[in-house]
Amino acid sequence: KQEVTQIPAALSVPEGENLVLNCSFTDSAIYNLQWFRQDPGKGLTSLLLIQSSQREQTSGRLNASLDKSSGRSTLYIAASQPGDSATYLCPSNSNSGYALNFGKGTSLLVTP
Amino acid sequence: EAQVTQNPRYLITVTGKKLTVTCSQNMNHEYMSWYRQDPGLGLRQIYYSMNVEVTDKGDVPEGYKVSRKEKRNFPLILESPSPNQTSLYFCASSPSGKEGYTFGSGTRLTVV
Repeated sequence: KQEVTQIPAALSVPEGENLVLNCSFTDSAIYNLQWFRQDPGKGLTSLLLIQSSQREQTSGRLNASLDKSSGRSTLYIAASQPGDSATYLCPSNSNSGYALNFGKGTSLLVTP
Repeated sequence: EAQVTQNPRYLITVTGKKLTVTCSQNMNHEYMSWYRQDPGLGLRQIYYSMNVEVTDKGDVPEGYKVSRKEKRNFPLILESPSPNQTSLYFCASSPSGKEGYTFGSGTRLTVV
């Protein structure tokens, strides 16, 4: 079963900093990759979807990349804001199977 | 607005009293699934459905039932809830289980 590791587990930065969140997967046979954010006790909000034929996606201050050969993905957040504070999740969607495999997430706190 | 709707948002019940959590999507997605989220364990899949009348077990199906009589609805049934089913539950849908997922807002269930 695919295992997802997210590093760091928690991160606290001052407002305005650029930051990188990392995901790694035990099985590099990833179909596509979707980054989510989750506010405490709330649902998952989709941020970016990297399709099977793509290597990266950008939306505003967010940029996500996927390297299937190494089984790694990164989420880059530029000019962080307090509103970015949330838990970030990068479940993998493998070539086989029909489930998202979740790691434990990265808890981000951006302080004013 | 494209969305997945879960009800109720919050539920407190007693051990053994049957309950149903409803899930509905308005995107004509073939695939729907249920996850539970517990502290320190991340999100784990309970059941999924590839289409009407087609359901299959996820990683933690014990104590749960599902049905898919219509494409838009995928209720989660707890026939005899126990305290270890206290959790935050999420319903999700996807066009085929391989494309981007949309999650509901969650149902926080407490079994006493």
